[in-house]
Order: sequence, then structure tokens, then C-alpha cells
Amino acid sequence: EAQVTQNPRYLITVTGKKLTVTCSQNMNHEYMSWYRQDPGLGLRQIYYSMNVEVTDKGDVPEGYKVSRKEKRNFPLILESPSPNQTSLYFCASSSRLAGGRNEQFFGPGTRLTVL
Amino acid sequence: QKEVEQDPGPLSVPEGAIVSLNCTYSNSAFQYFMWYRQYSRKGPELLMYTYSSGNKEDGRFTAQVDKSSKYISLFIRDSQPSDSATYLCAMSAPGSSNTGKLIFGQGTTLQVKP
Repeated sequence: EAQVTQNPRYLITVTGKKLTVTCSQNMNHEYMSWYRQDPGLGLRQIYYSMNVEVTDKGDVPEGYKVSRKEKRNFPLILESPSPNQTSLYFCASSSRLAGGRNEQFFGPGTRLTVL
Repeated sequence: QKEVEQDPGPLSVPEGAIVSLNCTYSNSAFQYFMWYRQYSRKGPELLMYTYSSGNKEDGRFTAQVDKSSKYISLFIRDSQPSDSATYLCAMSAPGSSNTGKLIFGQGTTLQVKP
């Protein structure tokens, strides 16, 4: 089954404790993105990756890091989480061959709470 | 001013009603327009895709794009309780087709009552 998986689905942590949210896709997609979703603000892009070893900032990158060492994986790293990073996070992937269609396949989401 | 504006609702309608969901945008470079549906506790899934202006129909769903007014709409005919979800509009410009960057509206929460 074609899918994007994220782990963990739920996470409660404390300020300053480094954490990683994993994302993996099995569709051989070149492009992967991370979004956060907050009430009233919709989905905002954090980082994206055009291919292995190619990453760039989205609209709200502060406090986040990513890496793309393998095509299928795109982990999101919070090195020193703060309460304002409490949010619902989504990983998404899409294929270059979509011809500009940008059809994003989303993961199930990770709900993060930073105390 | 946000690039994409969408009324968050909530919108509550009786089963069988025609639903109209709308977004306005300010960036005239947007060419690709999408509607995503997001059920509670799930990730968004692509519902409709339209390139440039015009209409597109898929079953009970019709997507309209009016680039002159910078306005897009999603119509749902004969709405069903299973249509209850949050609907997000999304759009992108041609130059962003290789970056995967979509600009999303805030989402409209729809409830269809039996």
C-alpha cells in the first residue's frame, strides 16, 4: 500500500529535550515536506527536500532541522523544543513526474505537546 | 494580508444540501489549484485538482476557478454525512512545481447532519 508513515503519532515532551519525528514514504517520491498545522493558521511549510541531500527552508523553519540521507526518509528534528512548537505536524511527499501538479500525499500526523 | 483566505466556518448543513466552499487569493501567479479533505485525526487527502481557470467535475464534487476574480470554489451536491470533514484549498505557482510548495487556506469545517 502506497503511504507516508510518521512516528510517533503522539508525543508529550518538556522544553529543551531533543526529539526526532520520523517520516518515511514507499512511493519513491523525490519531494518531501514537513508542515505544521495550527488552529486559524492552516498548514504552514517548515522544510522541504527536492531529493537526497537537497533540503531548503519553508515558511516557518526556526527551531527545526531536517536531513535527507535516503530517498524514503525525511526526519524532522527539534533540538531544543519550546512550547510554541506545540502543534500537529504532517509529513508529505510528491513526485517530480506529476508535471507540476504537486499532488501531496500526507502522513497521518504527529501531535506534539511541549511543556 | 494572507496569500490565501478561507472562511473557517464551521458550516453545518442538512443531508442532501448543496455545499459551497470558497477561497480567495492575492497572488496572480498561482496556476495550480487543489482541494484537500481532512477527516478528524487524519492527514489531508487530495480531493480535486484544477489547472488554471475553469471547472472540473468528479461525481458529486465540482471545482471552479475564476482567475480574474482570484476566487476558487468547491461545490458538493447531495451532501452526505460522510462528507463531514475539514476542506482545505491549496494553490501553487509554476515556479514552485519543482519545490512541492503549496500555499494552504485555513480550512473550512463542514458538518452534514443526517
